[in-house]
Amino acid sequence: GAGVSQSPSNKVTEKGKDVELRCDPISGHTALYWYRQSLGQGLEFLIYFQGNSAPDKSGLPSDRFSAERTGGSVSTLTIQRTQQEDSAVYLCASSFKKQGAHTEAFFGQGTRLTVV
Amino acid sequence: QQPVQSPQAVILREGEDAVINCSSSKALYSVHWYRQKHGEAPVFLMILLKGGEQKGHEKISASFNEKKQQSSLYLTASQLSYSGTYFCGTALSNDYKLSFGAGTTVTVRA
Repeated sequence: GAGVSQSPSNKVTEKGKDVELRCDPISGHTALYWYRQSLGQGLEFLIYFQGNSAPDKSGLPSDRFSAERTGGSVSTLTIQRTQQEDSAVYLCASSFKKQGAHTEAFFGQGTRLTVV
Repeated sequence: QQPVQSPQAVILREGEDAVINCSSSKALYSVHWYRQKHGEAPVFLMILLKGGEQKGHEKISASFNEKKQQSSLYLTASQLSYSGTYFCGTALSNDYKLSFGAGTTVTVRA
């Protein structure tokens, strides 16, 4: 596809269950971000992958959250033992370097996670 | 470090102007501006690199004051379509993550 694809678009899960959220970035984009957006709030940084470098995990709120990026492309964000406060829209974005500088980040439509 | 945006919200009538500010306590490499409409993904507006350049998108322009580590987004002769939440994203280097401010909600009324 031409844009960043996220799946599922909506996910309702029971408290305590694990969930996996998927992000398919734009082909060739070396940078991939995960952000969390609670209702009416800003974009909370979670994790950043850049090429083959070690990911910046400084935004992950707890050890229940983890993410991986396989083959420099698809990324999966995993939340274990979900809690109600994990309910939010999880946004993925990707970008690539052009002449040493980042270009714009393209956002996916997000996964709306509801923990009941 | 998350940048600080101000104001939190602004209400305009069509044709009026507004300025949104984005400040950082650290030296910035780049500032990115995005607009998000309700229920949609953020959409890119422009990038500014350190050097004080100004860019434009429609009647929306921005500047970057490297000395103050501050960027300003100017909405000129606002249109109804300008309504949404504007986010600034900042990076400390070209390899660094993008951190976003809390956003400024702009409402343009007829």
